[in-house]
Amino acid sequence: SQTIHQWPATLVQPVGSPLSLECTVEGTSNPNLYWYRQAAGRGLQLLFYSVGIGQISSEVPQNLSASRPQDRQFILSSKKLLLSDSGFYLCAWSVRVTGFYNSPLHFGNGTRLTVT
Amino acid sequence: GIQVEQSPPDLILQEGANSTLRCNFSDSVNNLQWFHQNPWGQLINLFYIPSGTKQNGRLSATTVATERYSLLYISSSQTTDSGVYFCAVTGSRTLTFGKGTMLLVSP
Repeated sequence: SQTIHQWPATLVQPVGSPLSLECTVEGTSNPNLYWYRQAAGRGLQLLFYSVGIGQISSEVPQNLSASRPQDRQFILSSKKLLLSDSGFYLCAWSVRVTGFYNSPLHFGNGTRLTVT
Repeated sequence: GIQVEQSPPDLILQEGANSTLRCNFSDSVNNLQWFHQNPWGQLINLFYIPSGTKQNGRLSATTVATERYSLLYISSSQTTDSGVYFCAVTGSRTLTFGKGTMLLVSP
């Protein structure tokens, strides 16, 4: 069966420090991968998605970047964190099929980031 | 873009009660998914249901795409059902989440 691992679970970082969140998927090949952010108040915002190695699409211009160095690895980064980057970050994957979001989306357990 | 409205926004139940959560969407969609986010933040896919009815234990979901709504039924609720329930719909290229229904099941 497929599993998704995301770490760390919680992170407290000072303003201006770098960030690296990592996500890996096991048990599947060529998945679509996603980074979401959930601010207080429930809303889920898509930050990045990737349909293959090195292929990254950004949905929201911001202080963050994403990379996909391997088929089942997705990394969220920042060179200098802002207070507004605080939030709950979720990695997700789906089976790659024709069209967009035409297969179930599965989330990791998330990383709670607090920028102080 | 597609608008997704969920109702009710908040719901409090006694353990053992049944409930129905609703998801309305403003335009034709290719598919629809229901998720449960537990109090620890874990987000679980409950159903992938572009149309028709599916059941999984005490949970079932029905999507009537032609009338632009979906329903999630929870029967014999348990305290572990507490959390936020999201529906998310796919239009052309995006997945749009509703704001969720927060459910609290008390013992």
